[in-house]
Amino acid sequence: QGQLVESGGGVVQPGGSLRLSCEASGFSFSNYAMHWVRQPPGKGLEWVAVTAYDGGKKYVDSVKGRFTISRDNLVNTLFLQMNSLRNEDTAMYYCARAPGETTEDLWGKGTLVTVSA
Amino acid sequence: DIQLTQSPSFLSASLGDRVTITCRANQGINNYLAWYQQKPGQAPKLLIYFASTLQSGVPSRFSGSGSGTEFTLTIGSLQPEDFATYFCQQVDSYPRTFGQGTKVEAK
Repeated sequence: QGQLVESGGGVVQPGGSLRLSCEASGFSFSNYAMHWVRQPPGKGLEWVAVTAYDGGKKYVDSVKGRFTISRDNLVNTLFLQMNSLRNEDTAMYYCARAPGETTEDLWGKGTLVTVSA
Repeated sequence: DIQLTQSPSFLSASLGDRVTITCRANQGINNYLAWYQQKPGQAPKLLIYFASTLQSGVPSRFSGSGSGTEFTLTIGSLQPEDFATYFCQQVDSYPRTFGQGTKVEAK
């Protein structure tokens, strides 16, 4: 079935940077597109970015030019480099495999990012 | 971008009630619609994908229906563990988008 474990969250000042990681285990990581989804405290879900198994990438408009999604298939890890952070980026960040697409949907427990002065 | 509108935003119901939540898209999404359940402090849990396919391990009281731009999640008989927030998501195109959520509370 598999497991996803996020890390790297924390408190950062506006304008700062943070790098999130998501370690995958129990499945063939390199065969799957991997996503980041975020959820501000008490609010709804927002899809952030995807990296396909072949390295193709897409982003939501609000993070384009500031966030970079990447993956290292050798160590089964997904990354999200977040630069120029804003207050509105404060959220729980989840990594996910095939979210909502097939029975292979899999989510991590999330890592919390707080942007505050 | 595809916009999803869920209704209602809040729903009060009693145990055993039949509960229906609607999700409307502003354009066709080829039935590429998923439904999630989320409880406080937990990641979303997939209930339904491709509009009506029940995810493995999900109780059969949950069902999805609809096509085109209008979709429905039905809970046949509300159980105590079903009090939660429910989200729809379209996976037809990027950026993926979610409905704003429906919180199901005890009456």
